[in-house]
Amino acid sequence: DTGVSQNPRHKITKRGQNVTFRCDPISEHNRLYWYRQTLGQGPEFLTYFQNEAQLEKSRLLSDRFSAERPKGSFSTLEIQRTEQGDSAMYLCASSAGDEKLFFGSGTQLSVL
Amino acid sequence: QKEVEQDPGPLSVPEGAIVSLNCTYSNSAFQYFMWYRQYSRKGPELLMYTYSSGNKEDGRFTAQVDKSSKYISLFIRDSQPSDSATYLCAMNTRGGADGLTFGKGTHLIIQP
Repeated sequence: DTGVSQNPRHKITKRGQNVTFRCDPISEHNRLYWYRQTLGQGPEFLTYFQNEAQLEKSRLLSDRFSAERPKGSFSTLEIQRTEQGDSAMYLCASSAGDEKLFFGSGTQLSVL
Repeated sequence: QKEVEQDPGPLSVPEGAIVSLNCTYSNSAFQYFMWYRQYSRKGPELLMYTYSSGNKEDGRFTAQVDKSSKYISLFIRDSQPSDSATYLCAMNTRGGADGLTFGKGTHLIIQP
């Protein structure tokens, strides 16, 4: 499978715990995006990498959120001190430098 | 007013019918327009991509863009039960560093 891969598919955690998600983009895609989607809403942009550089961050991305793409390949999104409002589907997408984004299946986070 | 407006539905039609899905937008800087299909608990899948006013056809799908009216449409001919999903419109500015802006999605149900 050469699509965007996300792990884990599901994560259940208790409020206050830290969680980390991983995204493996399509090979040779230099752009990588993180989005968040809640029930009944479209995905909302969180952050964007071009190669290893994080070039854009949404105001939605509070200080508890951090994303990395250390070698310009896979990326991780960490949420510290999770809150119930963080419960959502976290989607990763990649592109080859144009406006076509290809999404993974997402990580469904439930904060209890 | 949100930047992208999309009727969430649900929209229920009989198998074989022509389906019309629509979005309006307010930001005249949007230049690239996409339609994504999303099945339950899956990531969005890119269906159609266009950057000019007019029609673009791909099999049973036709995307239509009217930049003067800030209105885009997706038509599905000969609709099938497997087309039942949520359809998301998305759009981007030139360069696209801040990612796609999505509509809420329209939940489509094709009745066998």
